[in-house]
Amino acid sequence: AQSVSQHNHHVILSEAASLELGCNYSYGGTVNLFWYVQYPGQHLQLLLKYFSGDPLVKGIKGFEAEFIKSKFSFNLRKPSVQWSDTAEYFCATLTGGGNKLTFGTGTQLKVEL
Amino acid sequence: GAGVSQSPSNKVTEKGKDVELRCDPISGHTALYWYRQSLGQGLEFLIYFQGNSAPDKSGLPSDRFSAERTGGSVSTLTIQRTQQEDSAVYLCASNSDRNTEAFFGQGTRLTVV
Repeated sequence: AQSVSQHNHHVILSEAASLELGCNYSYGGTVNLFWYVQYPGQHLQLLLKYFSGDPLVKGIKGFEAEFIKSKFSFNLRKPSVQWSDTAEYFCATLTGGGNKLTFGTGTQLKVEL
Repeated sequence: GAGVSQSPSNKVTEKGKDVELRCDPISGHTALYWYRQSLGQGLEFLIYFQGNSAPDKSGLPSDRFSAERTGGSVSTLTIQRTQQEDSAVYLCASNSDRNTEAFFGQGTRLTVV
């Protein structure tokens, strides 16, 4: 069965620090990859997605992610975080011909002033 | 509607009672998902509806859980004889096909006392 692993459960950073959140998936075939974000008290919303093409994907609010097929990874990055980036971040995959989004356990990011 | 709507937003119920959670997807979206979000557990897939196809129920944790989608639109998730471990946030999402993002509702926070 497909699975998604997020290595960091809690991350605390100071403003302006760089961010990288790890995401690995288990499926070896065609994958669609997503990062969702959930700000405090709000619903889940899409940060960015990868279906095909350029493996470096740009998303909203300065986030980007790189699909590395050989490493089964889709890590999320931001060069300089802001206090407003405090949220929970979820990596998700959609594999093969299916339409079932599989999520990781999430990473809680806290950005301190 | 403009987004995925879920009701109620909060539900407190006594152990052993049945509950019904409602999801109104975005108009025109053929796919509808239910997920459960528990503290530290990430997002657990429950059930997926796609058009007129038989639903994928593979994520339902027990036979106390069931879901319907009437007329290809509104969905109801029913939990019978609720248990304390059913306490969680139940999220609904919809999309138009597998190559588009899934849009999430605000969720229903269920507390079983």
